This record gives sequence, structure tokens and C-alpha cells, in this order.
Amino acid sequence: AQTVTQSQPEMSVQEAETVTLSCTYDTSESDYYLFWYKQPPSRQMILVIRQEAYKQQNATENRFSVNFQKAAKSFSLKISDSQLGDAAMYFCAGLNAGGTSYGKLTFGQGTILTVHP
Amino acid sequence: DGGITQSPKYLFRKEGQNVTLSCEQNLNHDAMYWYRQDPGQGLRLIYYSQIVNDFQKGDIAEGYSVSREKKESFPLTVTSAQKNPTAFYLCATAPWGDSSNYGYTFGSGTRLTVV
Repeated sequence: AQTVTQSQPEMSVQEAETVTLSCTYDTSESDYYLFWYKQPPSRQMILVIRQEAYKQQNATENRFSVNFQKAAKSFSLKISDSQLGDAAMYFCAGLNAGGTSYGKLTFGQGTILTVHP
Repeated sequence: DGGITQSPKYLFRKEGQNVTLSCEQNLNHDAMYWYRQDPGQGLRLIYYSQIVNDFQKGDIAEGYSVSREKKESFPLTVTSAQKNPTAFYLCATAPWGDSSNYGYTFGSGTRLTVV
């Protein structure tokens, strides 16, 4: 079984500053995918960024980037130039590409991000 | 345009009643999932289905039932056996076996309240 842990229930950042959200993913599988989802007040789940475990290069999507440290099981999300619209609940999630839990996306507890103007 | 439709947006259930939440998709995705979200918690998997006429229990299946008679539809029934059904329910879909596109697509959710 895999576990996803987000140890920061809440984070805050000033507009235009940078913030990093933390996540750890523990699995016995060697092939897996990691995701960050954003859930704004509308509660619509929005995919922010995806990382394949076999890729050494960290994923980047505009102002969003990840720092994936496979050995440390760490998968942090960095938001640069924070905007008011970034305020939301952020979920880290992992999906094993094999094994008995194949195809099942497992979520962390979430981090509430507040952006101050 | 393609997407997932969950209905209703809000649902109220009386004690002892069964209620059914609808999830329809036109993305031609094979896999469909039901998650439950409680305040302050992440999403927990209730049931999932990889192909028509087949489904598996997730981590919190007790008190719930599903069917998958059509590829496009994956309704969730919350039975009277579910002791604490008040929660936000999310349906999701994904292509199955496509390693280049493992992201899930989510519906807009149904808020179920017991009255």
C-alpha cells in the first residue's frame, strides 16, 4: 500500500512571493506518478502538475514547479510569483503504475494556501 | 465539449433512505472512480471501475454500492447502512493503461447532507 503525507495543514504567502508546499510519498513500487491538485472554493479539482518517478528532471508548469527527491520520498510544490487566484486547498497525490494498487490515486490530507495582498 | 457531469449538486437524505448520485462522462475513459471528501481530510476512495460490468471496492466501501452497466455511467448509491454519509462526493475518470496520461479528470461534486 502507498501513503501520501502532507505535514502542513496551512500555509500563507504574500502576493508575488514564493511558497513551497511539502509532500512525502511512500510506496514499495518503483514505477509511479505523482501529482499536485488544486481545489479552490468552488471545490473543482484541478490538476496543477504531474511528475513521473522514472524521470530525473523535475516537472515545471509556468509558475509551478516540483522538487522530486526520489530517495527521500519527497515531492514538494513551489509556487513562484504567487497570485490571489492561487489561494486554494492543495492536494498531493500518488498513483502506482503497477502492483495491487495499480491505477488507484491516493491523496494526502491537503494544505490550505492563503495568499495575502 | 467533453467532461464529467455529476448530479445533483446538492442532495438531502433522510435517515434510513437510500440515495443515488449520478456520474456521467463523455471522455471515452475506461476507468471511473468515486471519492469521498470530509472537512480537513483528503479524498478517500470508495469504489472504482476499470471496465464495464466490473468494479472493485476502495478503502471505504462499506455502506455504498455501485454499478457499471455502461462505459459512460458510474452511479453511486449511498445506502442506509452508511452511518455517516454527510460529505462531499467526487467522481473521477481516467484512461486505463495509458502511461502517458495518468491524470484523473474530476467532476464538480455532489454535496450530500443527512437531515
